[in-house]
Amino acid sequence: DAGVIQSPRHEVTEMGQEVTLRCKPISGHDYLFWYRQTMMRGLELLIYFNNNVPIDDSGMPEDRFSAKMPNASFSTLKIQPSEPRDSAVYFCASSPRAGGYTFGSGTRLTVV
Amino acid sequence: QQQVKQSPQSLIVQKGGISIINCAYENTAFDYFPWYQQFPGKGPALLIAIRPDVSEKKEGRFTISFNKSAKQFSLHIMDSQPGDSATYFCAASLNSGGSNYKLTFGKGTLLTVNP
Repeated sequence: DAGVIQSPRHEVTEMGQEVTLRCKPISGHDYLFWYRQTMMRGLELLIYFNNNVPIDDSGMPEDRFSAKMPNASFSTLKIQPSEPRDSAVYFCASSPRAGGYTFGSGTRLTVV
Repeated sequence: QQQVKQSPQSLIVQKGGISIINCAYENTAFDYFPWYQQFPGKGPALLIAIRPDVSEKKEGRFTISFNKSAKQFSLHIMDSQPGDSATYFCAASLNSGGSNYKLTFGKGTLLTVNP
């Protein structure tokens, strides 16, 4: 298995622009998680899905953030409009039921 | 509200020494306690995990010690090597067999092993 695949690896965008991050989870994993990592706040859970259904989005910082999982093999995290304080590394992770997470390599987002 | 507190924030150990990282949790309903290892530019990777029905789990040079009454667990790295230099995260989860399974992570410990 190729693991959890995230794209792009790096994204530089201007403030106010829309940003879309993509994730392909491991086939057969029931859960998909989106995390944000910064030096100040560590790993923060933004939202997670179980069988493509959003279970908890309480970590989404603002309405500017949205996430979808249209099918079992694809998820997106969208930020519109982006702001400099959104700059971080965004990780997608997937997990089988009650198992350990497998993280992707992350997307480093820089908003200038 | 930080549900998992990790210490120290950073740790420097000599090659061959023992590295010890500690975590404390608040919620007694947590039922799964993994440790993750993260190298620069990579995502965290599962290293070792324990459930509260055992007090210790060992895998190679890595050992988790679990103290349920104190609500603490720790990672011990024996014979630490420069290749172990990374950031380590402890985590805990509720309902690891249920539909609302999610991990809460500690803030991380940057381990440096000097040659």
